Amino acid sequence: EIVLTQSPATLSLSPGERATLSCRASQSVSRYLAWYQQKPGQAPRLLIYDTSNRATGIPARFSGSGSGTDFTLTISSLEPEDFAVYYCQQRSNWPALTFGGGTKVEIK
Amino acid sequence: QVQLQESGPGLVKPSGTLSLTCAVSGGSISSTNWWSWVRQPPGKGLEWIGEIYHSGSTNYNPSLKSRVTISVDKSKNQFSLNLSSVTAADTAVYSCARAPANGIPFDYWGQGTLVTVSS
Repeated sequence: EIVLTQSPATLSLSPGERATLSCRASQSVSRYLAWYQQKPGQAPRLLIYDTSNRATGIPARFSGSGSGTDFTLTISSLEPEDFAVYYCQQRSNWPALTFGGGTKVEIK
Repeated sequence: QVQLQESGPGLVKPSGTLSLTCAVSGGSISSTNWWSWVRQPPGKGLEWIGEIYHSGSTNYNPSLKSRVTISVDKSKNQFSLNLSSVTAADTAVYSCARAPANGIPFDYWGQGTLVTVSS
């Protein structure tokens, strides 16, 4: 099983600031890494797939980068609606899909 | 717009079987998509349970494989999850989700339903 480790567990930032979230894989996942946003009581929302492709309707302030074992989700300037939990997910080892433990982006 | 809706008992007794159904609307379950179940224990992260294609082909999380069965009912445009021999550790919000067969990850999700395992 490919283990995904997200850091930090919690990120405390103010609106307008830049957020940088990390996801590290226990072995290479090539570029098959996705990011989701989840707000309380809601289903996850796909943000980024295959490392850097934004899903339909996702604002340009969300961007993804990386390859192999190290990946980053960047939110260039936090909007009030961006405070949420973010999960990474790999499909390199399909069908053994796995998720990271999540990073909570909270208002400072 | 595709919509997924989970249904089933919210309380299951230990050692029993958890059974949930996901109804798909706004699209056909016979389209080129994989249909998955994902769960989230309270306050914890996401765990993929397994998936099914409309042909009946399935894939399961190895850690749950011995207890999981996912089936599809094309006539009702829905798919189902059975998880046997449940314990308190299986208490979670269970969600169904769609993943296109072209490799894009889960693009549509149900709202999820809380299932508690307790006597």
